[in-house]
Amino acid sequence: KAGVTQTPRYLIKTRGQQVTLSCSPISGHRSVSWYQQTPGQGLQFLFEYFSETQRNKGNFPGRFSGRQFSNSRSEMNVSTLELGDSALYLCASSRDGNQPQHFGDGTRLSIL
Amino acid sequence: EDQVTQSPEALRLQEGESSSLNCSYTVSGLRGLFWYRQDPGKGPEFLFTLYSAGEEKEKERLKATLTKKESFLHITAPKPEDSATYLCAVQGTGAGSYQLTFGKGTKLSVIP
Repeated sequence: KAGVTQTPRYLIKTRGQQVTLSCSPISGHRSVSWYQQTPGQGLQFLFEYFSETQRNKGNFPGRFSGRQFSNSRSEMNVSTLELGDSALYLCASSRDGNQPQHFGDGTRLSIL
Repeated sequence: EDQVTQSPEALRLQEGESSSLNCSYTVSGLRGLFWYRQDPGKGPEFLFTLYSAGEEKEKERLKATLTKKESFLHITAPKPEDSATYLCAVQGTGAGSYQLTFGKGTKLSVIP
């Protein structure tokens, strides 16, 4: 059974640019969550989607947004990138949000 | 607000030397407590879910236990391949109940 797939694995951007990250969940999983992982703050919740609807949002600025498609695939967008946005962005999926979440290997975003 | 504190931050063990990792949590209502293992450059790998005080789960050399305020991950006769960062997370039953709140992890090193 294929796991959670995130693309790309690595990205380098400059301040002020925007970026889109992609996540394909495990087949049959309809809930997709996004997390930011940094050495100082650890893993922090960004948002969760289920059936194309955002159900929860973490405490991040509006520059961080996401969406989910009818096939449960999800994208996350960050606009007007700042140096502090450098992090590992992780996507996790579960059947409906109430089962264990399974993570992809993340996208490493570096801002120059 | 849900909170998770893990201790110690780092732990070095000799191969075969058993020990325990601690996860203290506060949550208004516990839907589940999760343990993950994370290797460098990888996403967190799901290990266990615990739902109620007194519950225990085992997998190979790992055993997770749960009380109303803490969870312990016991590692029996560890091997070098058990070296990783172990993450604890809680999911509450309150508003925003689809997100996981993570601790900052315990970095375990097992020396041959």
